[in-house]
Amino acid sequence: GAGVSQTPSNKVTEKGKYVELRCDPISGHTALYWYRQSLGQGPEFLIYFQGTGAADDSGLPNDRFFAVRPEGSVSTLKIQRTERGDSAVYLCASSLQGGANTGELFFGEGSRLTVL
Amino acid sequence: SQKIEQNSEALNIQEGKTATLTCNYTNYSPAYLQWYRQDPGRGPVFLLLIRENEKEKRKERLKVTFDTTLKQSLFHITASQPADSATYLCALDDSKTSYDKVIFGPGTSLSVIP
Repeated sequence: GAGVSQTPSNKVTEKGKYVELRCDPISGHTALYWYRQSLGQGPEFLIYFQGTGAADDSGLPNDRFFAVRPEGSVSTLKIQRTERGDSAVYLCASSLQGGANTGELFFGEGSRLTVL
Repeated sequence: SQKIEQNSEALNIQEGKTATLTCNYTNYSPAYLQWYRQDPGRGPVFLLLIRENEKEKRKERLKVTFDTTLKQSLFHITASQPADSATYLCALDDSKTSYDKVIFGPGTSLSVIP
């Protein structure tokens, strides 16, 4: 499809386990964002990539969270030693350019993470 | 501290009326502001972008204003329809302090009653 694809759509895991969430952005989009959204809240910024590099990772809550985008396309958000408080919907978005020319963000449908 | 605030309560309006949603921000200097619509269980969908040098932008039944002095954006939906019922999010860039960080407000839930 032509949109942003996120997998898995749902992930249930146990406290302490390792989780990977994948985002496949729109082809040609150089900017990629990860957000976390809890029920009734707006999306919370986690990290932004321009190409392969993390331009801003100031939203990552702690060192259990890490994200990569090795070839400037697909990105993986990695969460180690999951905690119940990590339960949320993780949203990925891509944008054509980023920078001062950032326009609309195209979002995926999200990955719902539940930590038991 | 930096803050984005939207209507604190859910908004219920009668079909056909104009819905007005508010976005106020503190300690940001955005170059632009965006509005998104989000339906339950879905990702946000872009609606409009307005830049700091623009006062007003329109798209079909939607109108956005941006007042950098008041640090406020208003989002209007005219001739509202039940299909407009959704959560509306404002978002702005923090690019003057942190390059390309796009920050979202908490959202306002709108219900249009037939």
